Amino acid sequence: SAVISQKPSRDICQRGTSLTIQCQVDSQVTMMFWYRQQPGQSLTLIATANQGSEATYESGFVIDKFPISRPNLTFSTLTVSNMSPEDSSIYLCSGRGGGGGGELFFGEGSRLTVL
Amino acid sequence: AQRVTQPEKLLSVFKGAPVELKCNYSYSGSPELFWYVQYSRQRLQLLLRHISRESIKGFTADLNKGETSFHLKKPFAQEEDSAMYYCALKGYSTLTFGKGTMLLVSP
Repeated sequence: SAVISQKPSRDICQRGTSLTIQCQVDSQVTMMFWYRQQPGQSLTLIATANQGSEATYESGFVIDKFPISRPNLTFSTLTVSNMSPEDSSIYLCSGRGGGGGGELFFGEGSRLTVL
Repeated sequence: AQRVTQPEKLLSVFKGAPVELKCNYSYSGSPELFWYVQYSRQRLQLLLRHISRESIKGFTADLNKGETSFHLKKPFAQEEDSAMYYCALKGYSTLTFGKGTMLLVSP
């Protein structure tokens, strides 16, 4: 299994600012994903982080708002840009190994509060 | 499009009672389904997957393609089972989650 670390674990941000969340995996994973979990809601996939190329975004999410990097197999960042209170959420990094089976491993999440 | 429905936001039972957390899905292909669990102050983790047909912590889930369901069951609930449970469907490469059901097991 993979252990996924995220930081910051939580932050309080001002409207209009941007914050970058870092995700580190302790072993190589073939795929990495970023999810958002808004209060009282389920997990919504933001994008698939592709190594060395642009992320693949889901409907409703755009690169200008959520730029993502993945310079290598074990590290990715998600930036939440020009934040508004609606961006207050838990952001989760996840990864899937190469052995198939579909299991995702999750980080502990980054809880952002935008004032 | 793929969709996962968990109709109950909250399920409250007494210790020793049977538990069934409902999950229905919509998917045009051959589904791959999972149950994830999040205990208080812990990260989301895999509980079980339909492919392995295993029983984890006394929980089982059977895929019923006719009813497009993947309900999670346990014959005798324990207090430590209290957690948030998410049903998830794997499409081509991504995982779609249901809204989750909070299970509360009272002594």
